[in-house]
Amino acid sequence: DIQMTQSPSSLSASVGDRVTITCQASQDISNYLNWYQQKPGKAPKLLIYDASNLETGVPSRFSGSGSGTDFTFTISSLQPEDIATYYCQQYDNLPRYTFGQGTKLEIK
Amino acid sequence: EVQLVESGGGLVQPGRSLRLSCAASGFTFDDYAMHWVRQAPGKGLEWVSGISWNSGSIGYADSVKGRFTISRDNAKNSLYLQMNSLRAEDTALYYCAKDRRLLWFGELFDYWGQGTLVTVSS
Repeated sequence: DIQMTQSPSSLSASVGDRVTITCQASQDISNYLNWYQQKPGKAPKLLIYDASNLETGVPSRFSGSGSGTDFTFTISSLQPEDIATYYCQQYDNLPRYTFGQGTKLEIK
Repeated sequence: EVQLVESGGGLVQPGRSLRLSCAASGFTFDDYAMHWVRQAPGKGLEWVSGISWNSGSIGYADSVKGRFTISRDNAKNSLYLQMNSLRAEDTALYYCAKDRRLLWFGELFDYWGQGTLVTVSS
């Protein structure tokens, strides 16, 4: 099975900061990587699909990049409403899906 | 508007059974694969099971294989998860999630319900 290593597990940043989260796969997954945002008490929400495609309606300050085994999720200018936990998710040998451990983002 | 509403959660003793339901609306239910994803208290997300549009293709996480059974009733726009031989480690919020791809399993979950809580404890 493909393992996903997401880091950091938690992150504290100031409003306006650039925030970066990484996700590493244990083997090549091409661009089969998605990013979700989960606000406290809410269901996850899709932000980025296929590593770098912004989901419709998602603010452009969110972006993703990478391929193969190394992926990055970036918030270009952190806003107060971005406080959430972020998860990467990969898929292989459908149906088999794996999430990263999550990154809890807090405002400093 | 897509809506997914889970129900059926509750407190259950180890070894007992529970059946979860998910009522779907706002889209053509029988056009899409559907999934169950769970989240233990304070923990991350874990895919549990998925079913294709016609129930012809089904998958399970290793952690639930042989104990859980996913099914759907397209006439009722409903998804189900029969959970048998429940264990303490099955305690979680169970989300129903819609696949983005038409008919067969795709790469992501584009809509989620709000979840139903299952607590396994004596």
